[in-house]
Amino acid sequence: DAKTTQPPSMDCAEGRAANLPCNHSTISGNEYVYWYRQIHSQGPQYIIHGLKNNETNEMASLIITEDRKSSTLILPHATLRDTAVYYCIVKGAQKLVFGQGTRLTINP
Amino acid sequence: NAGVTQTPKFQVLKTGQSMTLQCAQDMNHNSMYWYRQDPGMGLRLIYYSASEGTTDKGEVPNGYNVSRLNKREFSLRLESAAPSQTSVYFCACSQGPNEKLFFGSGTQLSVL
Repeated sequence: DAKTTQPPSMDCAEGRAANLPCNHSTISGNEYVYWYRQIHSQGPQYIIHGLKNNETNEMASLIITEDRKSSTLILPHATLRDTAVYYCIVKGAQKLVFGQGTRLTINP
Repeated sequence: NAGVTQTPKFQVLKTGQSMTLQCAQDMNHNSMYWYRQDPGMGLRLIYYSASEGTTDKGEVPNGYNVSRLNKREFSLRLESAAPSQTSVYFCACSQGPNEKLFFGSGTQLSVL
């Protein structure tokens, strides 16, 4: 499975859009990009995933570049409850491999 | 629906003791997983079970055994606990290999 690179931490003001980048330059054609988040010490929570088209659901939007080497998770109106560690994962084979993620802090 | 239930939530062991972490899901999912998370780190896969009756090693299987008892239950056993196994353990399930994972709330294990 391809490796991902994320900034270790980011800050965002409450009510603004939070844009979390992820690089996955070695992604192959059949690998999906998944995003999960972990709030405090709870179990990770699924956010969204995509293959090559942009995706949107009730939680977030996922923008994947045309060459698929990077993606951005967008939380359109961040709230304090969105403070968490966000994991970008490229998944082809069965198992999901987590990196260290981005610690996103939403500031009032 | 409870989703994924892990027991116990907390456990303290002495070095050399054995114990089994239990995981049960009521989502009728085929695949189940065990991860561990050390402080400040991401999750690492210990073992997974693609379907009932099958199990496979993940990144860090040494010191652990698993049993897929039936479709609902997937247990993780530490035969002889070591301080290096102090961690938070998460169980997860998914409908299939390319489906999203649903996680339990974790078991915090300390080995003294």
